[in-house]
Amino acid sequence: EAGVVQSPRYKIIEKKQPVAFWCNPISGHNTLYWYRQNLGQGPELLIRYENEEAVDDSQLPKDRFSAERLKGVDSTLKIQPAELGDSAVYLCASSLEVGGGPAYEQYFGPGTRLTVT
Amino acid sequence: AQSVTQLDSHVSVSEGTPVLLRCNYSSSYSPSLFWYVQHPNKGLQLLLKYTSAATLVKGINGFEAEFKKSETSFHLTKPSAHMSDAAEYFCVVTRAYSSASKIIFGSGTRLSIRP
Repeated sequence: EAGVVQSPRYKIIEKKQPVAFWCNPISGHNTLYWYRQNLGQGPELLIRYENEEAVDDSQLPKDRFSAERLKGVDSTLKIQPAELGDSAVYLCASSLEVGGGPAYEQYFGPGTRLTVT
Repeated sequence: AQSVTQLDSHVSVSEGTPVLLRCNYSSSYSPSLFWYVQHPNKGLQLLLKYTSAATLVKGINGFEAEFKKSETSFHLTKPSAHMSDAAEYFCVVTRAYSSASKIIFGSGTRLSIRP
């Protein structure tokens, strides 16, 4: 079974430029998560989707970040414009939740390491 | 509100000796608790989880954790460390079976194993 796929694995951009990350979850998983992990810290949830619906985007900086999950499968996270402080690893995870709520095992992708110069 | 505190940022043990990684949590609701491991350049992997069943939870690779409500703790242990256990470990708290629940990761504990 294929795991969570993310691309690109690495991205270097100049500040004020746009950037996009793509995630393909495990087949059949209805819930998808985007996290940001700064160096030496734990992941911070940016947004959680249940199927096509964003059920928690309270930590997503909506002035510059956007996300979409069309058709409830793969997802794209975009930053426009990027700032120096956005340098981090962006993780995507998916899970199959049948009872509502994030109490199920999450499967993580390898992440995209973003460097903003 | 929920929060999680990993009490040690770095733990170093000798191979073959016990491992203890400490995690305290705060939750207004009955929590679900997880431990994830992150090896260098690899994705996060679930070690074990507690979701209001047995308080002593066994996970993969010989790890286990005990949920202690009175102490609001969920410490991770292993009787005998192996070199392959060297990694970053994260304690996670959420609320079981609620779509409104937040997911909170601790800041992580780096485990080093001395030969």
